[in-house]
Amino acid sequence: DAMVIQNPRYQVTQFGKPVTLSCSQTLNHNVMYWYQQKSSQAPKLLFHYYDKDFNNEADTPDNFQSRRPNTSFCFLDIRSPGLGDAAMYLCATSNRADGQPQHFGDGTRLSIL
Amino acid sequence: DQQVKQNSPSLSVQEGRISILNCDYTNSMFDYFLWYKKYPAEGPTFLISISSIKDKNEDGRFTVFLNKSAKHLSLHIVPSQPGDSAVYFCAATGVSEGGKLIFGQGTELSVKP
Repeated sequence: DAMVIQNPRYQVTQFGKPVTLSCSQTLNHNVMYWYQQKSSQAPKLLFHYYDKDFNNEADTPDNFQSRRPNTSFCFLDIRSPGLGDAAMYLCATSNRADGQPQHFGDGTRLSIL
Repeated sequence: DQQVKQNSPSLSVQEGRISILNCDYTNSMFDYFLWYKKYPAEGPTFLISISSIKDKNEDGRFTVFLNKSAKHLSLHIVPSQPGDSAVYFCAATGVSEGGKLIFGQGTELSVKP
């Protein structure tokens, strides 16, 4: 089945230690998104790629970066994680010009020690 | 300021009865609305959507109603089943958002046998 796969499902890192979250898709969608979701809050868009074009949300911290080496893969890099970065990170893809509907992976839950 | 609000964090319904989940928005430029369903430890799954040119869209047991003048939409599930127990997210977008989804905080639906 075509899908969006996030690895790992659970990630524990130390305060200030860089961490990379991975997302791959077999849907061949041209748009990929990264969301941050904290407990009982709405998912919040961090950035997205339309093909190779990177679009950063204005309020995404500089600590967060992303790479999309090819259509299938997208990475979220957190350079120096703080305690406030503990959250669920969701990757999504879309193939429509208007971006809808988006197909989500199962997320990576990030914990900071 | 939250542009999409789901004011009920939780809802409990008896199996076989109707579930009504509500969502309010503030941005009159939103023209496409979606509902996502999320089970624990899984990513959100697209459920149903509606364009602002319609006031109703139906798919099996799920119906979404849009009241543009009130900036309100609702999701009706009839009849409710225990397998419908999940968190439901309302999301909105429009040309002004460039396809970006703005999510509500979610409503946790519990359908009791």
